[in-house]
Amino acid sequence: EAQVTQNPRYLITVTGKKLTVTCSQNMNHEYMSWYRQDPGLGLRQIYYSMNVEVTDKGDVPEGYKVSRKEKRNFPLILESPSPNQTSLYFCASSFVGADSYNEQFFGPGTRLTVL
Amino acid sequence: GENVEQHPSTLSVQEGDSAVIKCTYSDSASNYFPWYKQELGKRPQLIIDIRSNVGEKKDQRIAVTLNKTAKHFSLHITETQPEDSAVYFCAAVPRGSTLGRLYFGRGTQLTVWP
Repeated sequence: EAQVTQNPRYLITVTGKKLTVTCSQNMNHEYMSWYRQDPGLGLRQIYYSMNVEVTDKGDVPEGYKVSRKEKRNFPLILESPSPNQTSLYFCASSFVGADSYNEQFFGPGTRLTVL
Repeated sequence: GENVEQHPSTLSVQEGDSAVIKCTYSDSASNYFPWYKQELGKRPQLIIDIRSNVGEKKDQRIAVTLNKTAKHFSLHITETQPEDSAVYFCAAVPRGSTLGRLYFGRGTQLTVWP
C-alpha cells in the first residue's frame, strides 16, 4: 500500500530533551516536506527536500533540523525542544515534475507536547 | 514569498445548502491552486485542484473557480452533507518556485448541520 508513515504518532517530552520524528514514504517520491499545524495558523512549512542530500528551509525552520540521506526517509530533529514547538506535525511527499505540480501525500501526523 | 489569505475561518451551513470558501493570493506568477480537506483527527487530502490556464473545474458536488485578474480562487460545495464537515485549506504554488512548495491559507472550518 502506497503511504507516508510517521513515528511516533504521539509524544510528550520535556524542554531540552532531543527528539527525532521519523517520516518514511514507499512511493519513490523525490519531494518531502515537514509542516506544523497550529490552531488558526493553518499548515506552515518547516523544511523541505527536493531529493537526497538536498534540503531547504521553509517558513518556520528555527529550532528544527532535517536530513535526507535516503530517498524514502526524511526525519525531523528537535535538538532542544521548547514549549512553543508543541504542535501537530505532518510529513508529506510528492513526485517532482519537470514543469508541473503533483499531489502531496500527507502522513498521519505526530502530536508533540513539550512541557 | 507568496501570501494566501482564506475566508471565512468558520462556516456553518444547513445540510443541502451550498458552501463557498474564498482565497486570495499575492504572487501573480502563481499557477497552481490545490484544495485540501482535513477531517477531524485525520491528515489533509487533496480534493480538487486548478491550474492557471483554466477558469473553472468541477468534480461532482465540488467546483473551483479561478480569477487570475483579481488573484482569487474559490471552492464551491453544493448539496452539502454532514460528511463534508471538515477543515478546508487552499494553497498556491508560484511558477518558477521550487516545485512542490505549497503556500497554504489558514483554513476554513466547515460545519454542515443535519
